[in-house]
Amino acid sequence: KNEVEQSPQNLTAQEGEFITINCSYSVGISALHWLQQHPGGGIVSLFMLSSGKKKHGRLIATINIQEKHSSLHITASHPRDSAVYICAVYFQGGSEKLVFGKGTKLTVNP
Amino acid sequence: NAGVTQTPKFQVLKTGQSMTLQCAQDMNHNSMYWYRQDPGMGLRLIYYSASEGTTDKGEVPNGYNVSRLNKREFSLRLESAAPSQTSVYFCATHGDAAGRVLDGYTFGSGTRLTVV
Repeated sequence: KNEVEQSPQNLTAQEGEFITINCSYSVGISALHWLQQHPGGGIVSLFMLSSGKKKHGRLIATINIQEKHSSLHITASHPRDSAVYICAVYFQGGSEKLVFGKGTKLTVNP
Repeated sequence: NAGVTQTPKFQVLKTGQSMTLQCAQDMNHNSMYWYRQDPGMGLRLIYYSASEGTTDKGEVPNGYNVSRLNKREFSLRLESAAPSQTSVYFCATHGDAAGRVLDGYTFGSGTRLTVV
């Protein structure tokens, strides 16, 4: 079964801390997404990557295809980073349908 | 820069009532999707449309129908609502070419549906 696992489920940090959220998947993929969902519901696409690393501001996403693992890092975290972060993948050989992880709820306290 | 417009934002239905959730995108994308999001579960695909005139079932299609009216619009219909369909519904789209996903997804703002 094609599965996506995220860890941790919940994460609480103090402002300024370095944050890491992990995503692992069961079989080969063609691409992986990181999404952000703020309280109130809107979902925003942060990154789509299939290899290596991408950076946008204080956010960094990495992927290791051989280990079937991706990480999302937040440097110098801020309370406005509080949100649910969702990993989603396209499995190889499948259609264009994303399979989503259950999300990691991040709370950054001032 | 609307992107994906989803209506309504909130709806309360009685069991057995019907309703249609509307979604429109102004990004000229072929692919459109309907998802539901429930507590403790990831987003689950209800139906998708790879192009105008085509629709396919996703992971949880029972109790729903869809229409891809044109390239812009993709609607989701609940013919006879049930309490199990209480959820938050999201419409989404992404750019593609020759069957390959080009960029990240753009989501609508969601519809919070309660069936009593």
